Amino acid sequence: DTEVTQTPKHLVMGMTNKKSLKCEQHMGHRAMYWYKQKAKKPPELMFVYSYEKLSINESVPSRFSPECPNSSLLNLHLHALQPEDSALYLCASSQDQWGLYGYTFGSGTRLTVV
Amino acid sequence: EDKVVQSPLSLVVHEGDTVTLNCSYEVTNFRSLLWYKQEKKAPTFLFMLTSSGIEKKSGRLSSILDKKELFSILNITATQTGDSAVYLCAVENQGGKLIFGQGTELSVKP
Repeated sequence: DTEVTQTPKHLVMGMTNKKSLKCEQHMGHRAMYWYKQKAKKPPELMFVYSYEKLSINESVPSRFSPECPNSSLLNLHLHALQPEDSALYLCASSQDQWGLYGYTFGSGTRLTVV
Repeated sequence: EDKVVQSPLSLVVHEGDTVTLNCSYEVTNFRSLLWYKQEKKAPTFLFMLTSSGIEKKSGRLSSILDKKELFSILNITATQTGDSAVYLCAVENQGGKLIFGQGTELSVKP
């Protein structure tokens, strides 16, 4: 299995809702990442987990809450989002945060906040 | 502040043409430069470059890095309509963070 699987593919949520995005990989990768990509813009790093511990938080608002329950899973919990948070959320993984291993990206969750 | 700049931002060519996409960077603690192709969804990996002057090649695509002048180019020869996509350049720093350029939107007309 050489894929990063993200669910759901599409999500529409209200500003008072709580939802979660899921990301899964079975490549034995020990680093996992969340990126946010607005329309016509490049991806921007949000969080890095390394060996299931939060390694980088790029000053993301607390309405986004990441969680790494085990080495294969990465969640992004969403609460009280704003319409400007609508974007494509990409998960990626790599063998390790500290080496030259490259990254595998998932297909993303397209989030619309109404 | 770390910065990756791609040019041109958009490009329209005809099938069979050769294109060159540019990527320049100013990133502290450089580790690697990566090229991705993005169509509708996930970026698809093309190349990882770490050393200057060594060309990487995959079919009609090739890329090279110049660490002295801080830039990379991606060449696509004999373009096809299936090459139409956004091409992203990203520089990885020692902390495992990818800094992306704005992308070059390539459109290949039949």
